[in-house]
Amino acid sequence: AQSVTQPDIHITVSEGASLELRCNYSYGATPYLFWYVQSPGQGLQLLLKYFSGDTLVQGIKGFEAEFKRSQSSFNLRKPSVHWSDAAEYFCAAGPMEYGNKLVFGAGTILRVKS
Amino acid sequence: NAGVTQTPKFQVLKTGQSMTLQCAQDMNHEYMSWYRQDPGMGLRLIHYSVGAGITDQGEVPNGYNVSRSTTEDFPLRLLSAAPSQTSVYFCASTNGGGLDTGELFFGEGSRLTVL
Repeated sequence: AQSVTQPDIHITVSEGASLELRCNYSYGATPYLFWYVQSPGQGLQLLLKYFSGDTLVQGIKGFEAEFKRSQSSFNLRKPSVHWSDAAEYFCAAGPMEYGNKLVFGAGTILRVKS
Repeated sequence: NAGVTQTPKFQVLKTGQSMTLQCAQDMNHEYMSWYRQDPGMGLRLIHYSVGAGITDQGEVPNGYNVSRSTTEDFPLRLLSAAPSQTSVYFCASTNGGGLDTGELFFGEGSRLTVL
């Protein structure tokens, strides 16, 4: 069965420090991969997506993610975290046929220390 | 520019009651879906649709019913509410699949409590 694993439930970083959120997927074929962010009481907003090609993808708000096929990973990174980045982050994978049929990870809650 | 609109935002039901969560999008998206979000479990797909008149089950379809009579609307029906259906429900839409796969646009969510 398809699955997406985010090993870290909570992560706390200091403002200005670098960030890496981990994501591993188990899928029959190479899926489309996504990172979404959810602020409290809000819906989800797309940060970035990977379909094919360059394995390092750039997203909004200064985020980037690297696809590593050999490790079945799609980790999210940001070189310098801002207090406004505090939110819950979800990694998701989906089949190439249906853009709305995603499997989500359990999420990682990011706290930012000032 | 409304995007995806869900109603109601909050609802409390008693066990056994039925209700419908409404979802409407104004972006002319063919693909729509319903997810539920539970703590520590992320979002799980309930039902999805790839066009008017076409629906299919997701990961957790039991106890829920959907229909898609128009491109714009995709209501989710709870036939006989159970406490296990206490959750936050999100409706989402996107413009397609395959190479056309784009951003999944989410509504703001509907928080349902079943007593």
